[in-house]
Amino acid sequence: DAKTTQPPSMDCAEGRAANLPCNHSTISGNEYVYWYRQIHSQGPQYIIHGLKNNETNEMASLIITEDRKSSTLILPHATLRDTAVYYCIVLGTYKYIFGTGTRLKVLA
Amino acid sequence: NAGVTQTPKFQVLKTGQSMTLQCAQDMNHNSMYWYRQDPGMGLRLIYYSASEGTTDKGEVPNGYNVSRLNKREFSLRLESAAPSQTSVYFCASSDRVNYGYTFGSGTRLTVV
Repeated sequence: DAKTTQPPSMDCAEGRAANLPCNHSTISGNEYVYWYRQIHSQGPQYIIHGLKNNETNEMASLIITEDRKSSTLILPHATLRDTAVYYCIVLGTYKYIFGTGTRLKVLA
Repeated sequence: NAGVTQTPKFQVLKTGQSMTLQCAQDMNHNSMYWYRQDPGMGLRLIYYSASEGTTDKGEVPNGYNVSRLNKREFSLRLESAAPSQTSVYFCASSDRVNYGYTFGSGTRLTVV
């Protein structure tokens, strides 16, 4: 399974877009990129996933570069409730390997 | 909409005691997983079950055993608890079709 690299922490002003980057330079052609978040000590929550096309749902957008070596999760209008740890995961087989993620703090 | 249910939510054990963490899902998912999360760390995979009747080791299986009792239930057993096993334990399940995971709310285990 490909490894991912994320910045340890980021701040974002409330109401602004939060752009969370992830590098996955060793990704293989059939591996998906998944994003999850964990609020406080709750169980991680699925956000979005994609293979090579950009994806959007009610929570976020996922932009994957053409070479698939990196991606960006976009929260279009961050709120205080989006403060959480965000995990980028590349899934090859059916088991996730989590890194330490990016701790996003949304500031009022 | 129960999703993934873990019991108990909290547990304190003495070193050397044994216990079983229970996990059940009601989404008819094929795959189930056990993770542990130590303070300030990401999740680490202990064991997983790709489908009913199969189990495999993850990153940190030592000191644990699992049982996939049926399609709904996946239990994690600590035979002889150690302080190093103090952690939050999360169970998850996924549909093999889209691989998205649903996590339980966790079991907070302290071994003294």
